[in-house]
Amino acid sequence: QQQVKQSPQSLIVQKGGISIINCAYENTAFDYFPWYQQFPGKGPALLIAIRPDVSEKKEGRFTISFNKSAKQFSLHIMDSQPGDSATYFCAASRPEGTYKYIFGTGTRLKVLA
Amino acid sequence: SQTIHQWPATLVQPVGSPLSLECTVEGTSNPNLYWYRQAAGRGLQLLFYSVGIGQISSEVPQNLSASRPQDRQFILSSKKLLLSDSGFYLCAWSRGHEQYFGPGTRLTVT
Repeated sequence: QQQVKQSPQSLIVQKGGISIINCAYENTAFDYFPWYQQFPGKGPALLIAIRPDVSEKKEGRFTISFNKSAKQFSLHIMDSQPGDSATYFCAASRPEGTYKYIFGTGTRLKVLA
Repeated sequence: SQTIHQWPATLVQPVGSPLSLECTVEGTSNPNLYWYRQAAGRGLQLLFYSVGIGQISSEVPQNLSASRPQDRQFILSSKKLLLSDSGFYLCAWSRGHEQYFGPGTRLTVT
């Protein structure tokens, strides 16, 4: 019940295309869902996050879609660029003082020029 | 603005040697602090977290330990390294839900 399942494991997209990464969770106590972007040899960087009272959040080319009833959320990267090639992690956390994350297993995205 | 530092950036240590990795945060007070390990091509495994000075919680039993001697300092240690301790070690901080990661330390145990 503590897992966050992420798919696909890897993704290849043409430049200008839409990249879609999906995550599913089971614990309905989770109340915060961030996405992180990680380049090789670097620490993950917070990209965008959403709370379950919102169905969609958009920041630039990045959009999170959230389906509370299905317990799923996804990251959409519009107009994907070669510079977006990185590993993306979804996560979930509970409303407690530790704010611990449960991370997905990651998606390696490659955008072809 | 807040900044998080980790050092060293890379480290090569023999099996059985001790380890000390340091993480410091600037520009905030009383943050939650976290140590993660990331194996090559894998996800993030939470090792320890701390909600205050001297308060350490362990997530995974192992031969590593953590300490928080000051509000914005978090140290990861081992008395005797194992080959399986190799990996990319990440420190993170938060004041709420948002966690911010440091640049990481690449540890290779030989």
